[in-house]
Order: sequence, then C-alpha cells, then structure tokens
Amino acid sequence: SAVISQKPSRDICQRGTSLTIQCQVDSQVTMMFWYRQQPGQSLTLIATANQGSEATYESGFVIDKFPISRPNLTFSTLTVSNMSPEDSSIYLCSVYAGGSETQYFGPGTRLLVL
Amino acid sequence: AQKITQTQPGMFVQEKEAVTLDCTYDTSDPSYGLFWYKQPSSGEMIFLIYQGSYDQQNATEGRYSLNFQKARKSANLVISASQLGDSAMYFCAMRGPDLIQGAQKLVFGQGTRLTINP
Repeated sequence: SAVISQKPSRDICQRGTSLTIQCQVDSQVTMMFWYRQQPGQSLTLIATANQGSEATYESGFVIDKFPISRPNLTFSTLTVSNMSPEDSSIYLCSVYAGGSETQYFGPGTRLLVL
Repeated sequence: AQKITQTQPGMFVQEKEAVTLDCTYDTSDPSYGLFWYKQPSSGEMIFLIYQGSYDQQNATEGRYSLNFQKARKSANLVISASQLGDSAMYFCAMRGPDLIQGAQKLVFGQGTRLTINP
C-alpha cells in the first residue's frame, strides 16, 4: 500500500489569495489525481497529474485556477488561485500505480475561504 | 460515460446487525474496477474493498464483502456485525480500463451516510 501525506491539513484563507497544497507519496507512482469535495458533496476530479507532462484537467476546471506541478514520481502540488468562498472544500490527492487493485487517498486538506 | 448511483442517502442500523449499501453502475467498457471507500468525519478516504469486472468471485475483506451482480450492474457493499465505528459516509466508485487514456480516474457515487445505533 502507498502512504500519502498532504500539507497543509487545513487552512483558513482570505478571498483573493492563493494556497498551494502538497502531496507526497512514499513510493513511485505513475498517476496522481487531485479531487475536490465540496461541503456535503461527493468527490469530483480536478485533474490528473503525470510526471513529465502537462496535467489533464476535467471539464469545469482550468489551469489558471488550479495549476498543478508534478516534478517527480513521488510528489505533486495543487495551487488554488485567487480563492473565493466557493473554493471552500476538502482537496484530496490520490495515487494509482497502474495495474493495481487499489487506489489510495491522502488525508485531505480542508480549506475554508473567508 | 461511466456513472455510479447510490440511492440511499442515509441508513440507520442497530449495532451488530448486518447492513447492505446499494450501488449500481453504468459503463460500456467490458473492463472496469469497482471500489468502496469509507469517509469518517475526519474527511480521509479509507479504501475498503475492490472488485474487478472479470473477477469470478465476490471480493471479501474482513467484515466487508462486495455482492457483485454483473448482469444487474450492481456492486453492493455488505458489512457484517456492524460496529459503532462503522458510522461514516460510504462511497462507491468506478475506474475504467488501464489501457484507455484518461480512464484511470475514479468516478464516485453520491454516497450513503451510515449511522450505527447502540
């Protein structure tokens, strides 16, 4: 199994500012995913981050708002830019090693935007 | 497109009883994977069980089992001998075939909030 850590675990931010969330995995993984869970809702995929290529964004999510980096096979960052209260959510990273029967999630980052 | 449906927004069960959480899915891919996750109030997503579309037997993991009925496109989670600590949100999810670009993401249902009463 993969052990995933996220930083920060939670934050309270002012509107108009940006926050960068880090995701660190204890082993090399092919794919990393960033999900958003708005209050009372299910999880929605923001983007897929593959090492060595640009992130692939889902419909409704754009790179200017959610820039992603994937500098190596164990690390990724998601930035939430120019935040508004609607960005208040739990942000979770997830990893998939390919051919695996499991897909693990980090502990999540709880973001509150005032 | 893949779709997951969980029709039970909430369930209340007495401690030590078995509980079944419903999940139906829709996909045109012959190869797919089905997952169940538990999300306690802390917000973390805890992997419970996985079922591959070509698996002949239903998956089991301790007190968790997956009732996989392929023809009906259902993948219900069964929790035996429920405990107070089982109270949480439960999400069913699907992943597409490995070899199709972009299919490896998880598509989630809306979740079922399970409450175990003492």
